[in-house]
Amino acid sequence: KQEVTQIPAALSVPEGENLVLNCSFTDSAIYNLQWFRQDPGKGLTSLLLIQSSQREQTSGRLNASLDKSSGRSTLYIAASQPGDSATYLCYSGNTGKLIFGQGTTLQVKP
Amino acid sequence: DTGVSQNPRHKITKRGQNVTFRCDPISEHNRLYWYRQTLGQGPEFLTYFQNEAQLEKSRLLSDRFSAERPKGSFSTLEIQRTEQGDSAMYLCASSLAGQLPNYEQYFGPGTRLTVT
Repeated sequence: KQEVTQIPAALSVPEGENLVLNCSFTDSAIYNLQWFRQDPGKGLTSLLLIQSSQREQTSGRLNASLDKSSGRSTLYIAASQPGDSATYLCYSGNTGKLIFGQGTTLQVKP
Repeated sequence: DTGVSQNPRHKITKRGQNVTFRCDPISEHNRLYWYRQTLGQGPEFLTYFQNEAQLEKSRLLSDRFSAERPKGSFSTLEIQRTEQGDSAMYLCASSLAGQLPNYEQYFGPGTRLTVT
């Protein structure tokens, strides 16, 4: 059974810091891994999708990496801003096993 | 707007009543997913369709829950005899299977259900 774990559960940083969010999964037979952002009471916004054959994806200040052999993905946020405050969720895509982590709630203080 | 839409956005109902939610996916997407999310938790998978076929159902989807996608376009999720434990955000997502980027999911805004 696939399990997806996100560490830390919550993170508070001052504005401008670089930070790393972690996602680990137990079944490496994934076809993709997707990072989402969720604002309170809202739906999910896709940030980055990494196909199983890829090692990383970048979008602006965000960089996501994937290491299937170790069952890990990281989301790197550069030069954090207060507007980055949200819950970040990773999602592991396996056939028939569509599993989200519980999320990391990020607060960026001005 | 060509994103995923869900209706209603909020629903308050009394215990024991039936409720139905609707999801309209991105038009060219052949896969449609339903998730449930409670406060402080990540979304939990309920079921998904490829075109009109329901391919996977979670054990979370009890007999009181039923989902349909009759024409392979919009989908409905019905909860019969609602219980207070059904109170949650119900999220719908769609994706395109078979072409890169494979299975990237796009989410709707969700329907928040409150059972009193």
